[in-house]
Amino acid sequence: AQSVTQPDIHITVSEGASLELRCNYSYGATPYLFWYVQSPGQGLQLLLKYFSGDTLVQGIKGFEAEFKRSQSSFNLRKPSVHWSDAAEYFCASDFGNEKLTFGTGTRLTIIP
Amino acid sequence: NAGVTQTPKFRILKIGQSMTLQCTQDMNHNYMYWYRQDPGMGLKLIYYSVGAGITDKGEVPNGYNVSRSTTEDFPLRLELAAPSQTSVYFCASIDQRMGYGYTFGSGTRLTVV
Repeated sequence: AQSVTQPDIHITVSEGASLELRCNYSYGATPYLFWYVQSPGQGLQLLLKYFSGDTLVQGIKGFEAEFKRSQSSFNLRKPSVHWSDAAEYFCASDFGNEKLTFGTGTRLTIIP
Repeated sequence: NAGVTQTPKFRILKIGQSMTLQCTQDMNHNYMYWYRQDPGMGLKLIYYSVGAGITDKGEVPNGYNVSRSTTEDFPLRLELAAPSQTSVYFCASIDQRMGYGYTFGSGTRLTVV
């Protein structure tokens, strides 16, 4: 079955440190891939998306993600996190059926 | 250009009551969606619509109904509210001709007591 997996429920990172959030998908082809961020009590904001082409995608707020077909992964990275990056992050995929399937989310905590 | 607008933002319902969650978009998007978000579960698709007059079930449709009489509006109806429907509800829309830019509303937080 088509699915999106975020193996880390909660990650804690020191301010200024680098960040990598993991996302894996299960699908027989290359899906459309997205990362969203949700601050407490807020809606979802699109950070970046991958459809095809260059496997390293740049997004807003200094985030990037790399698509790796061999690993069925689309991990989100940021070289240096800021306290304002504390939020919940969702990986999502469109498996060619024009509907988004979401992972269960990773909650990011930033410590001073 | 307001994007996707959801009303109300918050609501408390008693068990057995009914209500309609409103969703309106002004981007002329043809596809619209309703998701619910529960802690630790991500977002689950309730219903979706590919255009006016066309709706279909998503992953968790039980207890809900939808209609799509216009391109702009996609209301979600709860007929007999149950505690299991306590959740945050998000409406979204896309125009896949514009590169799959999903736009989400700000959500409706519903509590059934």
